[in-house]
Amino acid sequence: GAGVSQSPSNKVTEKGKDVELRCDPISGHTALYWYRQSLGQGLEFLIYFQGNSAPDKSGLPSDRFSAERTGGSVSTLTIQRTQQEDSAVYLCASSLRETYEQYFGPGTRLTVT
Amino acid sequence: GNSVTQMEGPVTLSEEAFLTINCTYTATGYPSLFWYVQYPGEGLQLLLKATKADDKGSNKGFEATYRKETTSFHLEKGSVQVSDSAVYFCALTPRGGSSNTGKLIFGQGTTLQVKP
Repeated sequence: GAGVSQSPSNKVTEKGKDVELRCDPISGHTALYWYRQSLGQGLEFLIYFQGNSAPDKSGLPSDRFSAERTGGSVSTLTIQRTQQEDSAVYLCASSLRETYEQYFGPGTRLTVT
Repeated sequence: GNSVTQMEGPVTLSEEAFLTINCTYTATGYPSLFWYVQYPGEGLQLLLKATKADDKGSNKGFEATYRKETTSFHLEKGSVQVSDSAVYFCALTPRGGSSNTGKLIFGQGTTLQVKP
């Protein structure tokens, strides 16, 4: 079946602009995670959604970052007033439920100029 | 807090050599442990996992044993192939209390290059 998809695959934006990154999880997966992969920080957890529960936002690096998950499916990660240090690959993963195997999408490479 | 430390790379081996990539962790409670692999141009994939002490995870000839006494989860393979060239990430999922979200905490990654 279809895996986790993310769009766009690449995004170049100017410093100060807002960006939206999209994640389509595997159908039926109730848990959804966002991670960031950057040269300086490695792979970092950002945010977690599980069903209708309040999301775990403990990994978001600043209040410029936010995410939502509509209808328990598609998720959007929004970065406001982008900075150069936001340049990274943003990965989305989904799993049947928490603690089950996570399946990763191909990522969105964000470059802030 | 929870953290994962793995040996720095790159690791360069000849085909059929023995591979060890060291991984140690710090965690409260009893985490689940994972190795993920990222092949060139591909996404992260789960390679193997272990959920409790003394468990051995294995897949594609790779093995790792959950050692609680040494807080380690070293990755080994007896005979590497060129196709094993990739970046390998050790990771844990905290468990217990409010930590049962399944979020992964990753090590820095180790690049393996296997030469023919």
